Amino acid sequence: SQQGEEDPQALSIQEGENATMNCSYKTSINNLQWYRQNSGRGLVHLILIRSNEREKHSGRLRVTLDTSKKSSSLLITASRAADTASYFCAWMDSSYKLIFGSGTRLLVRP
Amino acid sequence: DAGVIQSPRHEVTEMGQEVTLRCKPISGHNSLFWYRQTMMRGLELLIYFNNNVPIDDSGMPEDRFSAKMPNASFSTLKIQPSEPRDSAVYFCASSFGNSPLHFGNGTRLTVT
Repeated sequence: SQQGEEDPQALSIQEGENATMNCSYKTSINNLQWYRQNSGRGLVHLILIRSNEREKHSGRLRVTLDTSKKSSSLLITASRAADTASYFCAWMDSSYKLIFGSGTRLLVRP
Repeated sequence: DAGVIQSPRHEVTEMGQEVTLRCKPISGHNSLFWYRQTMMRGLELLIYFNNNVPIDDSGMPEDRFSAKMPNASFSTLKIQPSEPRDSAVYFCASSFGNSPLHFGNGTRLTVT
């Protein structure tokens, strides 16, 4: 498989709680990106973190990157029912291919 | 901009038939990607183009699959002959340089 791993595979939380998703990848990267996919739709880009950055924020999203461990995490704070979706990490390798992880299905219960 | 446009949204065909999936990238984008998504294998990169030239087709599963990009505003992914194991959602995405990808809404292919 081209993918790395994401965990958990599925996550169910109550509205208002925080959601944390983890991603591990296998190669050297130029950047790492997180995408969201609603059922039956294409993926939508959320946030990009470059290989020389360690943390990045965008609204309720916080992304960390540890290149020594080849891992990243996405934190969604104060979750809402509308955050229910699948979330994918993706890393751009040295040949500028964007490879996707296996995804985390997030359910936010109202 | 209308975003990345894929057609058809759904395709149901019989084994052995030729299938052509179409994609119109966002105007001005110079990279185009074809991905396949299944429950078992997740999102797989099949092929990507830069400035209409195929750069890496190592993800194309077999010779039955072919992709073209005759100009900057159109690409096709063809499967001939199709097989039931080709059933999946096929996504096209475009970008400018190394910027994040913009995805279409996909074509759901069912081969019976």
